[in-house]
Amino acid sequence: AQKVTQAQTEISVVEKEDVTLDCVYETRDTTYYLFWYKQPPSGELVFLIRRNSFDEQNEISGRYSWNFQKSTSSFNFTITASQVVDSAVYFCALSEPRMGGSEKLVFGKGTKLTVNP
Amino acid sequence: DAGVTQSPTHLIKTRGQQVTLRCSPKSGHDTVSWYQQALGQGPQFIFQYYEEEERQRGNFPDRFSGHQFPNYSSELNVNALLLGDSALYLCASSLVKAGETQYFGPGTRLLVL
Repeated sequence: AQKVTQAQTEISVVEKEDVTLDCVYETRDTTYYLFWYKQPPSGELVFLIRRNSFDEQNEISGRYSWNFQKSTSSFNFTITASQVVDSAVYFCALSEPRMGGSEKLVFGKGTKLTVNP
Repeated sequence: DAGVTQSPTHLIKTRGQQVTLRCSPKSGHDTVSWYQQALGQGPQFIFQYYEEEERQRGNFPDRFSGHQFPNYSSELNVNALLLGDSALYLCASSLVKAGETQYFGPGTRLLVL
């Protein structure tokens, strides 16, 4: 069965600190997709990144970077030089392809990040 | 390019009532998924619609039903509301293709008293 674990419930940092959000997943499939979403207090889930199981190359987008390691079933998210605007709940999610396309997302419980000025 | 829209934004109902939530997908998308997010939890998959049919369903009772219209918009209906149905209901749209990203709307906050 699919499962996503985000062990860190809440993290609090001071502005300009680097912070890493952990995500560990479980799946029986060899083909799957991993996602990160950001949920600000307004409630809308904002898409950040999608990674398929065959692409282990790490990705960097501005202050954001992602480390995907199949050997440890982890897909961690690092924010460099954090800013107050990064304060939000961050969700890691997993999907497994099915016939006909489109799949449900299985989410972790989220990590609430607070960046203090 | 309009994103996913949902209505209403907030709703208050009493136990036993019925509610209908609405969702318009992102332009060009053909698949709509609904999720329930209880306070402090991650979203839980309710069901998904494509070509006006329910394709997948999560572990939710039959009180939860839905519909997709020819213009790809969708409705979520919940009958016989329970206090535990109080949550943020999120709609997501995507293309019907393996691994496609689901884009979420702002959600509808439902409070059942």
